[in-house]
Parts: sequence; C-alpha cells; structure tokens
Amino acid sequence: SQQGEEDPQALSIQEGENATMNCSYKTSINNLQWYRQNSGRGLVHLILIRSNEREKHSGRLRVTLDTSKKSSSLLITASRAADTASYFCATVPLGTSGSRLTFGEGTQLTVNP
Amino acid sequence: DGGITQSPKYLFRKEGQNVTLSCEQNLNHDAMYWYRQDPGQGLRLIYYSQIVNDFQKGDIAEGYSVSREKKESFPLTVTSAQKNPTAFYLCASSPRTGNYEQYFGPGTRLTVT
Repeated sequence: SQQGEEDPQALSIQEGENATMNCSYKTSINNLQWYRQNSGRGLVHLILIRSNEREKHSGRLRVTLDTSKKSSSLLITASRAADTASYFCATVPLGTSGSRLTFGEGTQLTVNP
Repeated sequence: DGGITQSPKYLFRKEGQNVTLSCEQNLNHDAMYWYRQDPGQGLRLIYYSQIVNDFQKGDIAEGYSVSREKKESFPLTVTSAQKNPTAFYLCASSPRTGNYEQYFGPGTRLTVT
C-alpha cells in the first residue's frame, strides 16, 4: 500500500520561481526521504530527514517535517529547467526494517525556461 | 545512477515465458532491493535482501522470484505466474538497513505481449 501521498500531482512554474511539494503519510515513521526521477531513469536521493528533525537544507532544497501532522514539504528555490522531474517522498515506517521504503505517487514538476 | 547497473534497458518477452532481470552493484552495499513502477505511479517493493543468501518478500512478491548468491548481484525473475508483468523495474542498494538512502540503477523496461 502507498504510505505517502504527494500534493500536488503536477506543478508547472517558470524558471526562477520557487516550487513547493507536499507529502502526507499515514503511520509513524523512522525517517522520510525525498527522491527525484527524470523521465525513464532511476531515482536519485535528495534528502533524508529523521523523525526527530524538523528541517533540513541541501543547496537549493529545503525539507520540513511535521510529525504531529504526518506531513513533509520539499521546497526548491530559484528553480531551473533542469529541475524538471518527478519528485517522490518515501517513508520508513516505525517498527519496520529500515529496508522497507514506501513511496508516494510523486509530483511531476515542470520548470519552463 | 551510481555504481548500480541493470541490464538490459529494454526487454521484450512473449506471454508465458519467464524472464530474468540483472542487477549488479560495485558499492559494497549489504542491502539490495527490487521495485516495480507503473506509469504515473510510485514504486512498489517486490523483494529485498539484507545479506547474502537471505531475502524477504515485499508488498507485491507474487509471480516474482529472486536469489542473492553474491553480495554484488541480485537478479529478479519475472515468472509466467505474474499477471501483469509489463512495467519499469528498478533495482536499488543501500549500505545496510536503517536510516540510509538507497542508490538506484537506471531501470529495465519490460514489455510482455
């Protein structure tokens, strides 16, 4: 079953704008991860945030985690055409093996030049 | 796509035939995974292995089989019992289970007619 749900399903913005994607999940987690997938390719890991962390930064990426609301957001600042991809959140439910990543259905981001 | 290779990139088979997808990693990772991705959807876990000669079923293991005879290799066999085998198959690895990101291969697109 899909633990995470991304919102929106699709997002189209202009280069230079910020993009925000949200992820909600159903059960308590060990950690939450964000991945990017270019069309027809494998996934690339972006950020991992642990359940005791609230915010994490990596370059132009900012991830927040609200465990009380069971939600996370991914912010990409100053977007570029190369950021066009699908973005997935994935969770490791509490009490399960760290191997069992459960993915949401993703947000398709299009950045127009 | 890191040190994980999947071959072939595209695979075509007739219904009723078993087919084996290759996954090799040179990252010295203990854990390896197989996922299935259908169009416009997230990834679903088929099988995973935390150590050589051991593997566990994921969420959609029916109609699939795996082996883990070597640390660097985790082949997936799609059997004729799998009702809807046409999909994009992704292999991944991680250093071990727990709070670690997964590294993905480029994927194999399987079409069964």
